[in-house]
Amino acid sequence: AQSVTQPDIHITVSEGASLELRCNYSYGATPYLFWYVQSPGQGLQLLLKYFSGDTLVQGIKGFEAEFKRSQSSFNLRKPSVHWSDAAEYFCAVGYSGNTGKLIFGQGTTLQVKP
Amino acid sequence: GAGVSQSPRYKVAKRGQDVALRCDPISGHVSLFWYQQALGQGPEFLTYFQNEAQLDKSGLPSDRFFAERPEGSVSTLKIQRTQQEDSAVYLCASSEVTGVGQFFGPGTRLTVL
Repeated sequence: AQSVTQPDIHITVSEGASLELRCNYSYGATPYLFWYVQSPGQGLQLLLKYFSGDTLVQGIKGFEAEFKRSQSSFNLRKPSVHWSDAAEYFCAVGYSGNTGKLIFGQGTTLQVKP
Repeated sequence: GAGVSQSPRYKVAKRGQDVALRCDPISGHVSLFWYQQALGQGPEFLTYFQNEAQLDKSGLPSDRFFAERPEGSVSTLKIQRTQQEDSAVYLCASSEVTGVGQFFGPGTRLTVL
């Protein structure tokens, strides 16, 4: 069965420091990969997505992610974190040939220290 | 509207009551999804519509859960005889076509007492 693992439940970084959130998926074919952010009381906002082509994708708010097929990973990065980035981040996978439903990881809560 | 809207935003139900949750997708979006998000967890797929056709309901946890989208736009998720384990945030998402990224609504937080 398809699954998504976000190994870090909670991460704390200092404002201005770099950030990397990990995501691993389990699926045989090439998946569609997404990162979403959820602020308290808000819905999920799409940060970026990967379908095919260049394995380094750029998203909104200065985020980027790199697809590594050999590691079944799609890690999210940001070179300099801002206090407003504090939120919960979800990695999700979908795949072609089905309904398009997404399978989400458990999420990583990001705390930013001043 | 500019985005996906859901109503009500909060719902408190007594165990055994029926509830109905509404989703207004982005205009023109063909695909509509319902997800359930328990506290501290990622969203879990419930069901999928393409226009008015419900093509996948594999995630509905029991026959107490029922969803419809009769005119291919607004959708309603109905939960009959609610139980405490139904307490969660119910998220609706829509997309133009499958696989291009889904836009989520703010969710309905259901609390069953």
